[in-house]
Amino acid sequence: AQSVSQHNHHVILSEAASLELGCNYSYGGTVNLFWYVQYPGQHLQLLLKYFSGDPLVKGIKGFEAEFIKSKFSFNLRKPSVQWSDTAEYFCAVNTGFQKLVFGTGTRLLVSP
Amino acid sequence: DAGVIQSPRHEVTEMGQEVTLRCKPISGHNSLFWYRQTMMRGLELLIYFNNNVPIDDSGMPEDRFSAKMPNASFSTLKIQPSEPRDSAVYFCASSVRGTGLDEQFFGPGTRLTVL
Repeated sequence: AQSVSQHNHHVILSEAASLELGCNYSYGGTVNLFWYVQYPGQHLQLLLKYFSGDPLVKGIKGFEAEFIKSKFSFNLRKPSVQWSDTAEYFCAVNTGFQKLVFGTGTRLLVSP
Repeated sequence: DAGVIQSPRHEVTEMGQEVTLRCKPISGHNSLFWYRQTMMRGLELLIYFNNNVPIDDSGMPEDRFSAKMPNASFSTLKIQPSEPRDSAVYFCASSVRGTGLDEQFFGPGTRLTVL
């Protein structure tokens, strides 16, 4: 079965620090990749997605992610985090008909 | 657009009681998904519908769980009887088409506590 691994469960950063959250998936075929964010007390929202083409994907709020097929990875990055980026971040993979498989999430705390 | 609407937002019940969670997808969306989120297992897809028809219910944990979508604007997830291990946040999501290419829009979730 397909799986998604997010190795960092908790990340604590100071404002202006750079962020990279890891995401690896286990599936050898064509994948669609997503990062969702869940701000405290809110629902999940899409940050960015990759379907095909340029493996470097830019999303909202200055986030970007790079798809590296050879490494089965789709890491999320942001050059300079803000306190408002405090949230939980979920990587997700779609390998078939609409079925998204989510990672366990990474809780990011940005201290002012 | 009001987004995906879920009710109730919070539910506290006692073991053995029936629980019904409700979801109204975004108008015009043809696919609807039910997820469960726990600390231990993260986000799990329970079941999803395309055009009101259940497509994959392999994530439903056991027969105590059932879901229906009687029309394009309403779905329910029922747990009968409920157990403490069912305590979780239940999310409903919808998307435009069943192609795997569309963003899923999530509702605010229902936090269920079974005592």
